[in-house]
Amino acid sequence: KQEVTQIPAALSVPEGENLVLNCSFTDSAIYNLQWFRQDPGKGLTSLLLIQSSQREQTSGRLNASLDKSSGRSTLYIAASQPGDSATYLCAVRPYGNNRLAFGKGNQVVVIP
Amino acid sequence: EPEVTQTPSHQVTQMGQEVILRCVPISNHLYFYWYRQILGQKVEFLVSFYNNEISEKSEIFDDQFSVERPDGSNFTLKIRSTKLEDSAMYFCASSGGQGATNEKLFFGSGTQLSVL
Repeated sequence: KQEVTQIPAALSVPEGENLVLNCSFTDSAIYNLQWFRQDPGKGLTSLLLIQSSQREQTSGRLNASLDKSSGRSTLYIAASQPGDSATYLCAVRPYGNNRLAFGKGNQVVVIP
Repeated sequence: EPEVTQTPSHQVTQMGQEVILRCVPISNHLYFYWYRQILGQKVEFLVSFYNNEISEKSEIFDDQFSVERPDGSNFTLKIRSTKLEDSAMYFCASSGGQGATNEKLFFGSGTQLSVL
């Protein structure tokens, strides 16, 4: 069974610092990996999707890398802003099925 | 931008009652999903639906649960006899289909279900 772990569970950074969020998964046989953002009491917003054949994806200040063989992904957020405060969820889609396996999230607070 | 719409945003029910959670997926999407998140826990998969039938379901999705696409736009989750442990945020999601862009999942804002 695929297990997804996110470290750290929570972190606070001053505005302007770069954020580094880590995700690890136990089974490298994945189809893709997605990073989501979740605001309190709200739904999930897809940030980046990386196919298993890709090494990274970028969107604006966000960059996500994928090392499938070691079962790791990292989400970088450059020059953090208070509006980046949220929980960031990592989810993998294993080969052979259509369900996403989620991590518990990295809860981020960016201090003005 | 198109979005997934869920109603109601909050639902309070008595144990043993039936509830129906409603979703309007993005109009040209082909795959539909229900996930749930119990407070403080991971988001967990319940069921996926494609071509008017269930394509996959988890161990959680037992006989008390059912899904339906009654018309061309709505997608519903029914819980026949709710239990206390069904209290959670229920998320509907949709995706366009296979392929790099189409596999992004778009989630609704969720229905917070409280079973008393």
